[in-house]
Amino acid sequence: GAVVSQHPSRVICKSGTSVKIECRSLDFQATTMFWYRQFPKQSLMLMATSNEGSKATYEQGVEKDKFLINHASLTLSTLTVTSAHPEDSSFYICSARDRTFNYGYTFGSGTRLTVV
Amino acid sequence: AQTVTQSQPEMSVQEAETVTLSCTYDTSESDYYLFWYKQPPSRQMILVIRQEAYKQQNATENRFSVNFQKAAKSFSLKISDSQLGDAAMYFCAYRSAPGNQFYFGTGTSLTVIP
Repeated sequence: GAVVSQHPSRVICKSGTSVKIECRSLDFQATTMFWYRQFPKQSLMLMATSNEGSKATYEQGVEKDKFLINHASLTLSTLTVTSAHPEDSSFYICSARDRTFNYGYTFGSGTRLTVV
Repeated sequence: AQTVTQSQPEMSVQEAETVTLSCTYDTSESDYYLFWYKQPPSRQMILVIRQEAYKQQNATENRFSVNFQKAAKSFSLKISDSQLGDAAMYFCAYRSAPGNQFYFGTGTSLTVIP
């Protein structure tokens, strides 16, 4: 079946630094990638949607200059948290939709970001 | 915007018994999809079952089945013969037929008691 590999699974960074999270679709071409944020014991909140080769579309309230999304190829999308602060600590999950939609929407395994 | 409501933050069930998780949603659309996702401690989101709104027949996947009441905008998940591995957070989700965005409920934490 379709697999989305997300790395790293956990990362701890110092306040003010940047962190990059990668999501790769292993068995299919992901034309669309979604990035979610999940706070403890809460639901997933969509941050942005990116289509391969296009600029990401951000949800209201999400700072596009802080959360940089790149979707340069059909198998790789990255989320970079720039100048991270403790309030950015959260669980980030990507989800990919394949070109043919045969696989529907596949989620990555998530990244636990802790900013100290 | 569409909203998805899960009114049971926590549920528990004895192993081998049956449990039903509730979900209601609000939409003005006629064509959409509904989903139940499972999130175990590993945090990996796993699709449990999916229902197309235009289908009257309730979806079934092995021990998992749904009760889809379109007029009432209700979409409950029934887990039969509960197993220890079913313990997880369960999220109900809505997606428009032509759209990409998922709207998730707040989740129900299911505990399976041996």
